[in-house]
Amino acid sequence: SDVLTQPPSVSVAPGQTATITCGGSTIGGEGVHWYQQKPGQAPVVVVYDDSDRPSGIPERFSGSHSGNTATLTISRVEAGDEADYYCQVWYSSSDQGVVFGGGTKLTVL
Amino acid sequence: EVQLVESGGGLVQPGGSLRLSCVVSGFFVSSDYMSWVRQAPGKGLEWVSGIHSGGKTYYTDSVKGRFTISRQNRKHTLYFEMNTLRVEDTAVYYCARGRPLERRGQQFYYMDVWGKGTTVTVSS
Repeated sequence: SDVLTQPPSVSVAPGQTATITCGGSTIGGEGVHWYQQKPGQAPVVVVYDDSDRPSGIPERFSGSHSGNTATLTISRVEAGDEADYYCQVWYSSSDQGVVFGGGTKLTVL
Repeated sequence: EVQLVESGGGLVQPGGSLRLSCVVSGFFVSSDYMSWVRQAPGKGLEWVSGIHSGGKTYYTDSVKGRFTISRQNRKHTLYFEMNTLRVEDTAVYYCARGRPLERRGQQFYYMDVWGKGTTVTVSS
């Protein structure tokens, strides 16, 4: 199956910008979604279709996608942003295969 | 308010069976794509199965032939029948609603609402 590669961990000081990447040889034409998961909680979508943000998600969360790499950017990082972040692709052209990245632990220093 | 509530998890021996339920409110279980996603202890998210609003079902390779997704519209409930359980099926199981998007004439989804999950432990 397709593989989405994320860095295992990213650390950033409060107020700085965190960047989390998601790479995959087959994501070039696909929409990428991003989920935030805090300990003991269910995931929450923070960006969908590369760069759209659901209502209620702060503007500090943004996404982009170029070629085989998608990026989640969190500006002005706060302590409450500390969580695991997962990218996800829904391969509509391959029998509905749904793939998550391995996840990135964001640590706020 | 849109809400999903899972139940049915528990401790089961290898080779055993469980049926998970996900009761939905605020929308019709048949109107959207519904998925089961699991998370093994200390691991990442893994999509396991889905059912399209039209009824077509999908499974990841490791559960094909063992697990069955279904829904009962009158009861507003999504089900997940799990048979021949293995130790590696141990995980928190989440149900999630898929919202449709379109790209190049093809429909795809993102999961906009999740339940809190139910824990399945397969151990002797």
